[in-house]
Amino acid sequence: VLTQSPDTLSLSPGERATLSCRASQSFSRDTLAWYQQKHGQAPRLLIYGASTRATGIPDRFSGSGSGTHFTLTISRLEPEDFAVYYCQQYGTSPRTFGQGTKVEIK
Amino acid sequence: EVQLVESGGGVVAPGGSLRLSCAASGFTFTNFYMNWVRQAPGKGLEWVSSISSRGNYIFYAESVQGRFTISRDNADDSLFLQMDSLRADDTGLYYCARAPFNYYGPDAFDLWGQGTMVSVSS
Repeated sequence: VLTQSPDTLSLSPGERATLSCRASQSFSRDTLAWYQQKHGQAPRLLIYGASTRATGIPDRFSGSGSGTHFTLTISRLEPEDFAVYYCQQYGTSPRTFGQGTKVEIK
Repeated sequence: EVQLVESGGGVVAPGGSLRLSCAASGFTFTNFYMNWVRQAPGKGLEWVSSISSRGNYIFYAESVQGRFTISRDNADDSLFLQMDSLRADDTGLYYCARAPFNYYGPDAFDLWGQGTMVSVSS
């Protein structure tokens, strides 16, 4: 089970966002991904392997953590970053997602 | 263009069946695991099923085990999801997504389709 916190993060453009994802048990490998989903769109892969940015993802997005606690950080929020973010473990089945964190404009 | 296009969604009565398809283009289909992920209206993402590149490894979420069947046709670059005994809580947008794989197994889902809507209602 993956638990994300907070459920909602209210911030202003230019601020730093820190999203948390906690696992009920440790991963043998850092098979943790982060996805961004904007309203009415399909999810987009941001981070895989806990800390590797996917192709084309700006460097203001960074992932960290290992074991049972992972973090997605957006260093300076741009207007297009306000969206819902999901973590996912993909190393074993079931390839579960967290419940999501909504980053909204304050 | 590299893309995944889902089709086959619709409205079906409880207990009915639907077959979803996902057409892949622009990449080597056999280099990827393929997956189905669904999203109920206003809710989060739920992994449904995965199939290995040659179809010899298949995994299901507990919620669909025994009712859904994933398959693929590598000659036609297509992924399928046969959904039987449908229930109201199967309602949602169904995405197909690809996952590269390596020695350790499948990686994260790096390409998603736009989804096809399934509504189970009497």
